[in-house]
Amino acid sequence: EPEVTQTPSHQVTQMGQEVILRCVPISNHLYFYWYRQILGQKVEFLVSFYNNEISEKSEIFDDQFSVERPDGSNFTLKIRSTKLEDSAMYFCASSPTGQDNSPLHFGNGTRLTVT
Amino acid sequence: GDSVTQMEGPVTLSEEAFLTINCTYTATGYPSLFWYVQYPGEGLQLLLKATKADDKGSNKGFEATYRKETTSFHLEKGSVQVSDSAVYFCALSPNSGGYQKVTFGTGTKLQVIP
Repeated sequence: EPEVTQTPSHQVTQMGQEVILRCVPISNHLYFYWYRQILGQKVEFLVSFYNNEISEKSEIFDDQFSVERPDGSNFTLKIRSTKLEDSAMYFCASSPTGQDNSPLHFGNGTRLTVT
Repeated sequence: GDSVTQMEGPVTLSEEAFLTINCTYTATGYPSLFWYVQYPGEGLQLLLKATKADDKGSNKGFEATYRKETTSFHLEKGSVQVSDSAVYFCALSPNSGGYQKVTFGTGTKLQVIP
């Protein structure tokens, strides 16, 4: 069964550094998402992406964050200048449609540790 | 705004015990409801879903019924196995016609002991 893949599985970075988290969504999916989970807390929506543009973003997704689909397969999340509070598990997800009853397909996540 | 509340964990059960994980939600309109499961070291996987009131979602022996009158979507399984040990997330997606913005609960860790 096709799956969403994320790399790296674990990223350690120093505060103030830029990081790029990478995702390869399922190939025939059109809608892409990033979620994050701070340890012990809820899984939170960050951003949704369709047709090469952001369709919705949360309050968390401030100017330090950006997303890009640089080619036909990758979907990236960039954090320009990481802060300690950015430490979390970041999940990429995709879905074939944007319909609300269509479940999301998640990757295994990238654990980001900011020191 | 939308919210999902689920019971605190961890929940520890013996193999073959009956499982209930409570989930209630707050949302306008008629959201779609989901249970996702996260096995150790893996991502979130859809376990089951229900898209309208009184629907019952089921998969792998797990069931949950969409109860609009009580705004609940409790997860049940009649006989758990050690392999069911995981974190379970209740979630909703508003049927607003817009792009998906799933709201998750905090997750409930289930530990099944032999």
